[in-house]
Amino acid sequence: QKEVEQNSGPLSVPEGAIASLNCTYSDRGSQSFFWYRQYSGKSPELIMFIYSNGDKEDGRFTAQLNKASQYVSLLIRDSQPSDSATYLCAVKSNAGNMLTFGGGTRLMVKP
Amino acid sequence: KAGVTQTPRYLIKTRGQQVTLSCSPISGHRSVSWYQQTPGQGLQFLFEYFSETQRNKGNFPGRFSGRQFSNSRSEMNVSTLELGDSALYLCASSLGTGGPYSPLHFGNGTRLTVT
Repeated sequence: QKEVEQNSGPLSVPEGAIASLNCTYSDRGSQSFFWYRQYSGKSPELIMFIYSNGDKEDGRFTAQLNKASQYVSLLIRDSQPSDSATYLCAVKSNAGNMLTFGGGTRLMVKP
Repeated sequence: KAGVTQTPRYLIKTRGQQVTLSCSPISGHRSVSWYQQTPGQGLQFLFEYFSETQRNKGNFPGRFSGRQFSNSRSEMNVSTLELGDSALYLCASSLGTGGPYSPLHFGNGTRLTVT
């Protein structure tokens, strides 16, 4: 059973702080890793993807990958109330286009 | 570039009926995947189509089926609806090539309620 685990939260951070979201996965054959943001009642929106060990930055977002530890994280700098949403970690193996999703972490950014 | 378009947005059906959902992928995308999202189970993979062929299938009963047309548009069908089929059904498209590095882009979903 390939699993992707996330803390369900809620993770509460003050406006302007750094939010750190974590995800672990069980399948060592996983090749690429995705972070989606989902607002209540909306569909998932792709934020970032990463496939090499290390950090990948895009604006206020940084994805970090450690394949040896089977761990991927998302940092959100200068958090804004508009960042309040559920963040979904998804993992893709080399076999096809299927994503396995974690249960999501609910982030609340307080003004 | 237009995004992934799903129709209808909302559906209410009765147990035992069948339903067909439609998805138009982003232009140029040849892979269409379907996911079911429920509060209890989260996002679960149903199946993926690429060039009109089912390429992957999740762990759902045979009541769930799909197809893809030559223009990459896809339909998903659920027969003999059960109360537990109430969910948000999401379609996602991607290029489908390029190995594991091709991200999926989701449509707005179809909210199905079975009464």
